[in-house]
Amino acid sequence: QVQLVESGGGVVQPGRSLRLSCAASGFVFSSYGMHWVRQAPGKGLEWVAVIGYDEIVQYYADSMKGRFTISRDNSKNTVYLQMNSPRADDTAVYYCAKGRGSLLHHFDSWGQGTLVTVSS
Amino acid sequence: DIQMTQSPSTLSASVGDRVTITCRASQSINSWLAWYQQKPGKAPRLLIYEASSLESGVPSRFSGSGSGTEFTLTISSLQPDDFASYYCQQYNSYSLTFGGGTKVEIK
Repeated sequence: QVQLVESGGGVVQPGRSLRLSCAASGFVFSSYGMHWVRQAPGKGLEWVAVIGYDEIVQYYADSMKGRFTISRDNSKNTVYLQMNSPRADDTAVYYCAKGRGSLLHHFDSWGQGTLVTVSS
Repeated sequence: DIQMTQSPSTLSASVGDRVTITCRASQSINSWLAWYQQKPGKAPRLLIYEASSLESGVPSRFSGSGSGTEFTLTISSLQPDDFASYYCQQYNSYSLTFGGGTKVEIK
């Protein structure tokens, strides 16, 4: 069955960088778009970014553009989120999610999430 | 960005009740809408996609309807396992967006 396992979360100081990883298994990774979705404490879900099956096409939520970079390595079945210059309001649980299709779709599988706390 | 507005934000109901949650889009999204259930401390779970298609393994008491800008999620007979938060999500544009969520509480 599909498994998505996030790692890399923790406490990071404002302005420092952090890279999250999501290891995927149980499906043909190179055929599906992969997403990051976040949830601040006590708040709702917020889509962060998507990367297409081809490792090339990317789209971002406006508030993340220029600060976060999504990437993937199809040879390693892994998707990444590079967080540059994080702010306190980036504190959230970050979920990796598999899209139903190759790019912009709903999410049919989710990881367990990794908590990122931005604090000095 | 397409804004998604869910109502109500909180709903108190009893086991056996019929429950309806509404989601409105700021512009037409055709039928590109999904519904998710989330329990505290857990990842969301896909319930409905393309506005009315039931995801495999989801109980048939869940149903979705609508198109264009107005959508509903209905639980025909609320069960104890259904007390949770529910979110709609549109995937009609290059920027995906969620509704603010509806928390279904025990009355």
